Amino acid sequence: AQRVTQPEKLLSVFKGAPVELKCNYSYSGSPELFWYVQYSRQRLQLLLRHISRESIKGFTADLNKGETSFHLKKPFAQEEDSAMYYCAPSFMNYGGSQGNLIFGKGTKLSVKP
Amino acid sequence: NAGVMQNPRHLVRRRGQEARLRCSPMKGHSHVYWYRQLPEEGLKFMVYLQKENIIDESGMPKERFSAEFPKEGPSILRIQQVVRGDSAAYFCASSPGTGKDQPQHFGDGTRLSIL
Repeated sequence: AQRVTQPEKLLSVFKGAPVELKCNYSYSGSPELFWYVQYSRQRLQLLLRHISRESIKGFTADLNKGETSFHLKKPFAQEEDSAMYYCAPSFMNYGGSQGNLIFGKGTKLSVKP
Repeated sequence: NAGVMQNPRHLVRRRGQEARLRCSPMKGHSHVYWYRQLPEEGLKFMVYLQKENIIDESGMPKERFSAEFPKEGPSILRIQQVVRGDSAAYFCASSPGTGKDQPQHFGDGTRLSIL
């Protein structure tokens, strides 16, 4: 079965420290991979996607197919990064179209001053 | 573009009543997804619809739950004869089309509480 694991429920770091939010998935194919973020009192929004190879707000995510991981990293955390982060692979389905997202349980990042 | 609009934001129902949750996708988006989030859990996929068609309903409970996305108007998630276990946040997302790289845009969700 398709599954995604975010092992840390809560991650607390100090401002300026590096941060890594872990994500592992299990799937026999090649999913597309996304990270979504939810800031306090805001809706869930896309942070970044693997296919774009982009860096958003200083965050990057590297796909490791051997380890089936897509960890989110930032070298220097800021207080405004405090939020819930969800790893979400997307699997192909009917007709080769994008299917539903499989969400992890999320990691709450708390960046202390 | 107002984004994905869900209403109501909060819905309270008594056991046995019906709940109707509405979702208007972003302008130009023809694909709608519904997710459910139970307390302390991640979002769980329920159903994926295009205009007038259900594409994937593998995450929908077999009974009491149904979804539609008519040619005109919002997508509706309908829960009949609600029970306490239906209390959750229900999120709708939309995307402009198919393709692995098409991100989904989410609404604010509807918090359903069953008394």
